[in-house]
Amino acid sequence: EDKVVQSPLSLVVHEGDTVTLNCSYEVTNFRSLLWYKQEKKAPTFLFMLTSSGIEKKSGRLSSILDKKELFSILNITATQTGDSAIYLCAVQNDYKLSFGAGTTVTVRA
Amino acid sequence: GAGVSQSPRYKVAKRGQDVALRCDPISGHVSLFWYQQALGQGPEFLTYFQNEAQLDKSGLPSDRFFAERPEGSVSTLKIQRTQQEDSAVYLCASSLNRAFGPFFGQGTRLTVV
Repeated sequence: EDKVVQSPLSLVVHEGDTVTLNCSYEVTNFRSLLWYKQEKKAPTFLFMLTSSGIEKKSGRLSSILDKKELFSILNITATQTGDSAIYLCAVQNDYKLSFGAGTTVTVRA
Repeated sequence: GAGVSQSPRYKVAKRGQDVALRCDPISGHVSLFWYQQALGQGPEFLTYFQNEAQLDKSGLPSDRFFAERPEGSVSTLKIQRTQQEDSAVYLCASSLNRAFGPFFGQGTRLTVV
C-alpha cells in the first residue's frame, strides 16, 4: 500500500522566518509528487515534481524531489501570515493520489 | 466555470437519510476524482472516472456509496442510509488527463446527526 509521511505535523513561526516541510513516501509505479496548500477550502495546487534534483520555485515557495531517498521538501522563505495553512503532500501512482496527513503551519505576526 | 464547483457546500443529514453531492469539473477535463477527508487527515481516494467510465471505485467504503458521471461531465456522489462515520468533507477534483495533477473543488462538508 502506498504510504506518505509528512513532518512535522505542525509548527508555529513568526513572520519573516523560513520553514521547511518534509515529505517521505513509498509508492509503486511512481508518477509524480504534488504539494497542495489547504486553507478553509479546496486544496490549491502548488507544485508537481517528477524529476530528482530539479528545484521548482514560485515566489517565496520552492520544492525539490529526491527519488533515490524517496522524499521531498517544501521551503517557504520570508513567511507571511497569509502562509498559515495546512500543506499537503501527495504522491501520484498512475492516476491516484495518496496524501499525507499534512503539516499545519501557523505564522504569527 | 473557471474551477471545479461543488454543491452543496454544507449538508446536514439525519442518520439513515440519503444524500447526493454534485461536482461540476473544469470544462474539458477528462479525469474526475472523488476524495473523502476526515478531520485532521489528508484526503482519501474514493473513485476515479475517465469521461463517463468509472475506472476505479476501490476506495468507496461500502456499497452505500455510489458515484456516477453519465455524460462525462457533471458527477454525483450518492450516499445511502448515511451513518455518523460518513461525516467528512467530500472533495471532487478534475484534471485534463491522468498524467496531470488534479485541481480540487471547495468540497462539501457532510455532517450526519
